[in-house]
Amino acid sequence: KQEVTQIPAALSVPEGENLVLNCSFTDSAIYNLQWFRQDPGKGLTSLLLIQSSQREQTSGRLNASLDKSSGRSTLYIAASQPGDSATYLCAVYSGNTPLVFGKGTRLSVIA
Amino acid sequence: EADIYQTPRYLVIGTGKKITLECSQTMGHDKMYWYQQDPGMELHLIHYSYGVNSTEKGDLSSESTVSRIRTEHFPLTLESARPSHTSQYLCASSELRSGGSFNEQFFGPGTRLTVL
Repeated sequence: KQEVTQIPAALSVPEGENLVLNCSFTDSAIYNLQWFRQDPGKGLTSLLLIQSSQREQTSGRLNASLDKSSGRSTLYIAASQPGDSATYLCAVYSGNTPLVFGKGTRLSVIA
Repeated sequence: EADIYQTPRYLVIGTGKKITLECSQTMGHDKMYWYQQDPGMELHLIHYSYGVNSTEKGDLSSESTVSRIRTEHFPLTLESARPSHTSQYLCASSELRSGGSFNEQFFGPGTRLTVL
């Protein structure tokens, strides 16, 4: 059964720092991996989707990488801002089953 | 504009009431999902559907029921609400492309339910 782990569970950084959020999964037979952002009391916003054939995807200050064989993905946030404060979740899709989500990393960017 | 909608956004009701949470999407997606999430906690999948007249239970046991009579509509019903049902309910939809290997999921804004 696929399991997704996100480390750390919480992270606090000063504004301007570059940071990396980690996501690992136990079964490497995935089709794609999706990163989401969730603000308190809100729904999830899709940030990036990486297909299994891809190594990375970029959107603005966000860069997500995927190492499928080792079961790992990272979300890199450059020049962090207070507005980046949120919970970040990763989820993997293995085909014919719903997404499997990690528990998320709660990020606080301090001005 | 293609989107996913949930109504109501907030609901406060008394114990024993029957309620229906609405979810509609205009993206033409076949797959739709319901999640339950308590504040600061992880997501739990409670129901999903892969098409009209298809519904499945998720990982978390739930006293709610769902129906999928139209592609764009996936309502969730609680026959008799209890305080333990107090939570946020998130609806999502996704589309399969590229022979089933590409599945991007989108979420609605959520319904925050409080049962007194």
